[in-house]
Amino acid sequence: GAVVSQHPSRVICKSGTSVKIECRSLDFQATTMFWYRQFPKKSLMLMATSNEGSKATYEQGVEKDKFLINHASLTLSTLTVTSAHPEDSSFYICSASKSRGYTFGSGTRLTVV
Amino acid sequence: GQQVMQIPQYQHVQEGEDFTTYCNSSTTLSNIQWYKQRPGGHPVFLIQLVKSGEVKKQKRLTFQFGEAKKNSSLHITATQTTDVGTYFCAGDSGGSNYKLTFGKGTLLTVNP
Repeated sequence: GAVVSQHPSRVICKSGTSVKIECRSLDFQATTMFWYRQFPKKSLMLMATSNEGSKATYEQGVEKDKFLINHASLTLSTLTVTSAHPEDSSFYICSASKSRGYTFGSGTRLTVV
Repeated sequence: GQQVMQIPQYQHVQEGEDFTTYCNSSTTLSNIQWYKQRPGGHPVFLIQLVKSGEVKKQKRLTFQFGEAKKNSSLHITATQTTDVGTYFCAGDSGGSNYKLTFGKGTLLTVNP
């Protein structure tokens, strides 16, 4: 089956610093990956579509300069939260599709203090 | 843009009771997918429905896709404590961007 690995699972950082989250497809190649944000007891909000070898497509209201996405290879996409602030604290999840349905990474819980 | 409404937001049942969550899209869908997210976990793919009027079963779970391909439901028969979690529907409107629009989810809790 399709496996998507996401690291780190948890990170605590100081306000103003940057945090990088990695999303890897372990047993398949993913030309497209998706980054979501989930607030407690809420649904998944699509932030951006990560496209291998090209710029990411951001959803309306998502700051591209704050949430930097790089998809340099067919198996790796990274999300960097730049100059993090407490309001950026959230659960970030990536996903990719191999055939039917999407496989999600295990998520990264970011806490900005 | 496309919207996917899901109800109810919460459902608490006694173990053994049935449970149903409903999903309605503002636009016709290419397919609809269902995911389960356990507390503290990440969404896990359950099923994809593609055909108009399609009905699929997975043990005690029954999934339906409406004739107009705009609504769907997930029904669980005789719930168990292991069914606890949030069930999300996600609509795929088709096209080359493979984007899913998630419903808000239904949190199911089961009293043993």
